Order: sequence, then C-alpha cells, then structure tokens
Amino acid sequence: DGGITQSPKYLFRKEGQNVTLSCEQNLNHDAMYWYRQDPGQGLRLIYYSQIVNDFQKGDIAEGYSVSREKKESFPLTVTSAQKNPTAFYLCASATTGVYEQYFGPGTRLTVT
Amino acid sequence: SQKIEQNSEALNIQEGKTATLTCNYTNYSPAYLQWYRQDPGRGPVFLLLIRENEKEKRKERLKVTFDTTLKQSLFHITASQPADSATYLCALGDGSGGGADGLTFGKGTHLIIQP
Repeated sequence: DGGITQSPKYLFRKEGQNVTLSCEQNLNHDAMYWYRQDPGQGLRLIYYSQIVNDFQKGDIAEGYSVSREKKESFPLTVTSAQKNPTAFYLCASATTGVYEQYFGPGTRLTVT
Repeated sequence: SQKIEQNSEALNIQEGKTATLTCNYTNYSPAYLQWYRQDPGRGPVFLLLIRENEKEKRKERLKVTFDTTLKQSLFHITASQPADSATYLCALGDGSGGGADGLTFGKGTHLIIQP
C-alpha cells in the first residue's frame, strides 16, 4: 500500500519545547516537502529536499529544521524559536520531472 | 512580492451546473500551474496541471485554462455534484527544480454544490 504517512495526527506541546514531526514515503520519490497551513490560508513552503543529504529553505524556514538522511524520510523539527508553531503541517513528495505532489494526511500541532 | 488570489468567498452552485473558479497572480512568471482539491482536515489531492505554453487541459468533468497575458487560470467543473464540494487550491511553480521545486499556493476557494 504505497503512500505518505505522517505521525502523529495530533500533537500537543508546551511552549519552549522542540518537537519533531515524522514524514515517511514508500513511493520512491526523490523530492520531499514540508508545508504549513493556517486556518483560512493557503499552504506555505517551509523546507524542501530534492535529493538525499540536501535540502533548501522555503518561504518560512525560520524556527524550523529538517534532515534528509534517507530517501524515504524527511522529518521536520519545530524549534522553540518558531514564534507561532500552532498549525496544520503537511508533508508531500514528488518525482523529479513529474510535477504533481502527493500529500500526506497532515499533523495538527498545538502549542500552549 | 508574489501574490495569488482566489475567490475569497465560498462559491455556491446548484447541482448539475458548471462551477468556475478563478486564480489570479501577480509578480510571478510560473512555468506551470496546478489545481488541488482539499477536504476538511486532509491533505490536498492533485487534480490537473497546465504548463505556461498550454491554453487548456481537460480531465473528465474538469477543465483548466491558463492565460499568461491576463495572469489568470480558470478551473471548471461541469455537471457538478454534491461530492464535488471541497476547497480547491491553485498552486504555481517556477520550474527551477525540474518539476521538483516547491509550490506557491493560493488560499483556496470553498465550493459548495447544493442538491
């Protein structure tokens, strides 16, 4: 059963704590992405990676960090430096040369 | 800065009619434009892609047009059904990553098809 998995679906943290969101894909896609979505807003690009061991900042990378040690995995860490971390986080993947992105089910993070 | 505008208000359409959604952009020269469907609490699902040198694409009941002079895309759903009710997102890519670049999304249009 191919696809993208994100875990957990809901995540609660206290302010000041770092938290890591998981994203795994078994589609053999080269590229992976992290987007953030706030209520009534479009998706905003946080980080993306086109190849293992390489990644680029998106439009709103401040306060976030990523790693790409394996093709299948692209975890996102929300650090305490992120001012407004509460949001819906979406991971996606794509094959280079094929433009459509496949999205995971998302993780809703709430920081209080 | 880059800006993408979609109908900010919800769009109510009677079942069986054609729904037309608009995506306008400024300060951007996209290599391609995509449309996604998003249901509440779920990730977007890809629907259609159109490149800068294409005028129109069709897929079953869906049609998208792309006018780079007007900087506008129109997305049509013909013979609309209540199951088509969702939020539809417009997304632009500049093609710098060979199709693997990140996308810039609009806020989406909430479409409601009434029986």
